[in-house]
Amino acid sequence: GAGVSQSPRYKVTKRGQDVALRCDPISGHVSLYWYRQALGQGPEFLTYFNYEAQQDKSGLPNDRFSAERPEGSISTLTIQRTEQRDSAMYRCASSPATGANVLTFGAGSRLTVL
Amino acid sequence: AQKITQTQPGMFVQEKEAVTLDCTYDTSDPSYGLFWYKQPSSGEMIFLIYQGSYDQQNATEGRYSLNFQKARKSANLVISASQLGDSAMYFCAMRVTLYGNNRLAFGKGNQVVVIP
Repeated sequence: GAGVSQSPRYKVTKRGQDVALRCDPISGHVSLYWYRQALGQGPEFLTYFNYEAQQDKSGLPNDRFSAERPEGSISTLTIQRTEQRDSAMYRCASSPATGANVLTFGAGSRLTVL
Repeated sequence: AQKITQTQPGMFVQEKEAVTLDCTYDTSDPSYGLFWYKQPSSGEMIFLIYQGSYDQQNATEGRYSLNFQKARKSANLVISASQLGDSAMYFCAMRVTLYGNNRLAFGKGNQVVVIP
């Protein structure tokens, strides 16, 4: 597509529920990144993919968080057994290639855990 | 460890005036990249400008310029002739390489409010 598309834009869930956040990167972009942004803070790296391979998942806070990109295009970030501290804006970004200079960000998915 | 520091409090700027946003960084990598992104109240992240560590000249993009002082490890953003639409959070970021993998590390941001 023309830009990075994320869905849902807003998600409210109860503590303990699982959530899945979807990212559709710019067509042809090799690298896909997930970031989390708390209110008043800068984006914090979670994980990234080159094609379908998860290259770095060191930013995932714990094993309740996982991500996949099975066909090298759309990616899903899954949070299991959500907790209130997971509430944040989750942002996806893509770039034409690893090491390419500019990341293009999506509008984000705002997650609220009650 | 690589990190980005943005410590200025929120800033009020008169329309048409210039504003400088401070950013310092720390890295042991000889090759790195520095970026500035704008985040208006709508929440999008908009790329503004990029500076490579080996670039000889300071980067410029329209009203944006990057004052790159390598020895001081600073990469300040200068916005000239401020407009009301420049009111936003501004994030400095550095491309870091860990175990051969690239990522952007962001600072905490600078809030700018342009007043008429």
